[in-house]
Amino acid sequence: SQQGEEDPQALSIQEGENATMNCSYKTSINNLQWYRQNSGRGLVHLILIRSNEREKHSGRLRVTLDTSKKSSSLLITASRAADTASYFCATDLSGNTPLVFGKGTRLSVIA
Amino acid sequence: GAGVSQSPSNKVTEKGKDVELRCDPISGHTALYWYRQSLGQGLEFLIYFQGNSAPDKSGLPSDRFSAERTGGSVSTLTIQRTQQEDSAVYLCASRTGEGVAGAFFGQGTRLTVV
Repeated sequence: SQQGEEDPQALSIQEGENATMNCSYKTSINNLQWYRQNSGRGLVHLILIRSNEREKHSGRLRVTLDTSKKSSSLLITASRAADTASYFCATDLSGNTPLVFGKGTRLSVIA
Repeated sequence: GAGVSQSPSNKVTEKGKDVELRCDPISGHTALYWYRQSLGQGLEFLIYFQGNSAPDKSGLPSDRFSAERTGGSVSTLTIQRTQQEDSAVYLCASRTGEGVAGAFFGQGTRLTVV
């Protein structure tokens, strides 16, 4: 079964609003990563948060990690139409294991 | 090249034919991954290489699927006797072996079995 599960499956917001996506996972991890995918092709790495970190920022992105609850959230502030994409979390159990992806959240930002 | 390169970009094949998909990772990246994605779905893990060896083949859906990697670089995913359910986008990714960096993805190969 999938290690990471994103919630919600789909999210539609107005431009300028904040978007929050959540990810839950089942086992202990080395780090957790968030990716973005446009138009069903290659994914782009957004941000990585290590298991000993609780929060990380990158531009308009804010990621939190709660290892006690085995969950993470991705916040996109002041969303733009160009943020419309699918967002996936991926868990990394160790340095020598494959990244395991969830099913993703489809974000639509309406101008 | 600067990024992960996959070829072909699109492939239409007849049911029962064999296909080969190629992935050229970023130079120096020791870890290479193959995933499959059906329309509107998440990424299904297929196989993972560390150098030329594949410590995890658990995701290969059947014995019709195989993959190899030579010289710690290019990888090929082969699907024999293709079936219609093999239709999907096949994605390749690579990253450094240290495990604290994100993966870089290619643009994928869209396989259609008719």
